Amino acid sequence: SQQGEEDPQALSIQEGENATMNCSYKTSINNLQWYRQNSGRGLVHLILIRSNEREKHSGRLRVTLDTSKKSSSLLITASRAADTASYFCATDATGANSKLTFGKGITLSVRP
Amino acid sequence: GAVVSQHPSWVICKSGTSVKIECRSLDFQATTMFWYRQFPKQSLMLMATSNEGSKATYEQGVEKDKFLINHASLTLSTLTVTSAHPEDSSFYICSALRQGRSSNQPQHFGDGTRLSIL
Repeated sequence: SQQGEEDPQALSIQEGENATMNCSYKTSINNLQWYRQNSGRGLVHLILIRSNEREKHSGRLRVTLDTSKKSSSLLITASRAADTASYFCATDATGANSKLTFGKGITLSVRP
Repeated sequence: GAVVSQHPSWVICKSGTSVKIECRSLDFQATTMFWYRQFPKQSLMLMATSNEGSKATYEQGVEKDKFLINHASLTLSTLTVTSAHPEDSSFYICSALRQGRSSNQPQHFGDGTRLSIL
């Protein structure tokens, strides 16, 4: 069953703008991960944030985690056309033995 | 590092055919691999967890006799869709976890296999 719920479901922005995507989940977690999927391809890992972390950065990516609200956000700054893809949050729930539960995904379109 | 190769990338075959999909970790050893199924514009649904040297663990609702999983080595897991029918047409994706790493590590994904059953 799906745990993560991302919003918005679709996002269209202009190149250079920032893109913010949100994810909510239901159970306690070991970590939360964000992945990117280009059309017809596999998933690429972006960032993993542990349950005891609140914020993490990687290049133009910034992820926050609020375990009290069971939510996370992914911020992509200075977006590029190449960032156009689907983005998924996935939770590694407590006791799940590293099994991930994926959200429905967000389709990001960055217009050049 | 952490490259996962999945083969074939696409396959078209007649109804009733059995299809084998391979998932290989190229530069690391993987005691655990996962098999997912993804329908168009939908999320990934976990089908089964494949552990090297032991039987796979299937998610509820996944027929183990229909989707045979073998994880015979630390770098290879295979998924065989037996007697495939049009409703089995989908995008199948595998992922792998590095052996020996602690928890809190990402999964490394293959590029997926698009299966079309005529």
